Amino acid sequence: EVQLVESGGGLVQPGGSLKLSCAVSGFTFSDSAMHWVRQASGKGLEWVGRIRSKANSYATAYAASVKGRFTISRDDSKNTAYLQMNSLKTEDTAVYFCVTALTTDSSYWGQGTLVTVSS
Amino acid sequence: QSALTQPASVSGSPGQSITISCTGTSSDVGSYNLVSWYQHHPGKAPKLMIYEVTKRPSGVSNRFSGSKSGNTASLTISGLQAEDEADYSCSSYAGSTTIVVFGGGTKLTVL
Repeated sequence: EVQLVESGGGLVQPGGSLKLSCAVSGFTFSDSAMHWVRQASGKGLEWVGRIRSKANSYATAYAASVKGRFTISRDDSKNTAYLQMNSLKTEDTAVYFCVTALTTDSSYWGQGTLVTVSS
Repeated sequence: QSALTQPASVSGSPGQSITISCTGTSSDVGSYNLVSWYQHHPGKAPKLMIYEVTKRPSGVSNRFSGSKSGNTASLTISGLQAEDEADYSCSSYAGSTTIVVFGGGTKLTVL
């Protein structure tokens, strides 16, 4: 069974930082790109960014709304992906999901972790 | 505002069929046969229901089907069941820079 478990969410002040983790099991993590998607309360899903596999040079891409502030990384030895979030804004408040794929049948999602940016 | 446009809500009675639309542009839905649909129950992990416009992952009921015409994709659920009540979101590949765009989600109510 494929499982993705996000962790690291919480309350942070505007301008602060937070690092999310996504632990993956039951799936060939090292061969897969990993995406982060978020959903603010009452809003639709928003793609945040992705990191490709080692075979694709760990290439990253980000949404314009987070580019320059968020960084995605991965540790294939731990089957874990990360989302480092800096210079957080109130509009970054959302549930953050990690996802294995978004265009194929290998699309598995975690349950999400809540990030609240508030003073 | 989401990149793809979905109706905020749809409803139907058990046994009926409903269709949820997902309208994009020639830069996303219209250019790629890479539209996916997700079922999302609050507090749970979203579940893939349709990928590549019309394909069903293993284990997904054949009551779920997808289609596309021009810049609009659609999800049809036939023989509605109470368990189908959930939020449904569409997504589309949008090129090597934007990567993926999502719809705003549609809440399905089974009456």
